[in-house]
Amino acid sequence: KAGVTQTPRYLIKTRGQQVTLSCSPISGHRSVSWYQQTPGQGLQFLFEYFSETQRNKGNFPGRFSGRQFSNSRSEMNVSTLELGDSALYLCASRSGGGGKSTHYNEQFFGPGTRLTVL
Amino acid sequence: SQQGEEDPQALSIQEGENATMNCSYKTSINNLQWYRQNSGRGLVHLILIRSNEREKHSGRLRVTLDTSKKSSSLLITASRAADTASYFCATDALGSARQLTFGSGTQLTVLP
Repeated sequence: KAGVTQTPRYLIKTRGQQVTLSCSPISGHRSVSWYQQTPGQGLQFLFEYFSETQRNKGNFPGRFSGRQFSNSRSEMNVSTLELGDSALYLCASRSGGGGKSTHYNEQFFGPGTRLTVL
Repeated sequence: SQQGEEDPQALSIQEGENATMNCSYKTSINNLQWYRQNSGRGLVHLILIRSNEREKHSGRLRVTLDTSKKSSSLLITASRAADTASYFCATDALGSARQLTFGSGTQLTVLP
């Protein structure tokens, strides 16, 4: 079974631009989460999608948004890029249940997209 | 913000030695997971321990969980140079089962 794939792997943008990152989860997985990793803040949760619905969102400004398609593929968008948005953006998928009481099962991470903002 | 801290921040050992990393967290949890990351790449899932478990083994890995102290440890036995990586613990807090909160990580270097 293929793992989580993310495209592009590397991206260079300038301040003020916007960017779209893509994530394809493991086949059959319905939950996709996004995380940002920086040297200063470490790994931080951005948001999670399940069945095309955002179920949970981290403490990030509205410039960060995402969506999920009917085939479970997900995209995240960052508008009006700032220097501080330079980071490794990681996507993770899990088979995941839909209920709030479902205990968390293993998340499988993609290789990440390295975004550099100049 | 991060759930907690990992200790030590960096660890350097010789091949064949055991490596122990500790993780502390702040809130009640459903599960705790350990991940490995090689040099800025994606995270590799190592092991998951549920809040009602105290110890779990997987190959050369041994994880303990003490919910009364809100802490966990990861032991890698008979370490190899290929174990060189950053190791992170991640928790999903009760009521927030859909997001992982990561520790700050331990950078492990295994010298050949």
